[in-house]
Amino acid sequence: NAGVTQTPKFQVLKTGQSMTLQCAQDMNHEYMSWYRQDPGMGLRLIHYSVGAGITDQGEVPNGYNVSRSTTEDFPLRLLSAAPSQTSVYFCASSYLGQEETQYFGPGTRLLVL
Amino acid sequence: RKEVEQDPGPFNVPEGATVAFNCTYSNSASQSFFWYRQDCRKEPKLLMSVYSSGNEDGRFTAQLNRASQYISLLIRDSKLSDSATYLCVVKVQGAQKLVFGQGTRLTINP
Repeated sequence: NAGVTQTPKFQVLKTGQSMTLQCAQDMNHEYMSWYRQDPGMGLRLIHYSVGAGITDQGEVPNGYNVSRSTTEDFPLRLLSAAPSQTSVYFCASSYLGQEETQYFGPGTRLLVL
Repeated sequence: RKEVEQDPGPFNVPEGATVAFNCTYSNSASQSFFWYRQDCRKEPKLLMSVYSSGNEDGRFTAQLNRASQYISLLIRDSKLSDSATYLCVVKVQGAQKLVFGQGTRLTINP
């Protein structure tokens, strides 16, 4: 049981490049979410999903796309990277209705130059 | 105004001391409250839920004051391993998402 996995662990991008951050969970959780964590800002919700085929925006969705084609995977796409997207990105999952008990992945550290 | 506010610290306390920190929330529709712990350069993990009647888990005590809209966490007999950032988390009624405070950094010194 791997829990929540994220790849890559680290990434450096140039402004304007696109990339996809991968997230997968093997706990059969319906609920999955993406957060970004910046110094002094805490964790901010980017997008979330309550099941395959259903996604919704969080607090800071601009510049990011998500899709949920399977229960296990919830990739986050950066369309055109900007320096303001330099951050640590966490994916999390939980059972629906138990969002307080979210299991987080180890995070992806992204630097946009 | 942030929806969930915490004193970022850092709090530096000696081993064995008792330390407490608060968190305030602004949305009166907030329904559920939690404390998460995050070690340096690691992912957050649920530490404990906060119930209206208060709750205790070993050396940790969490309390909720709905009238004043704040949550507290008390750590007794602190250990070096308690050094971490403590995140206050709120869930608003009807919402399927959590709102995180910025975290309070705690360092326990030998």
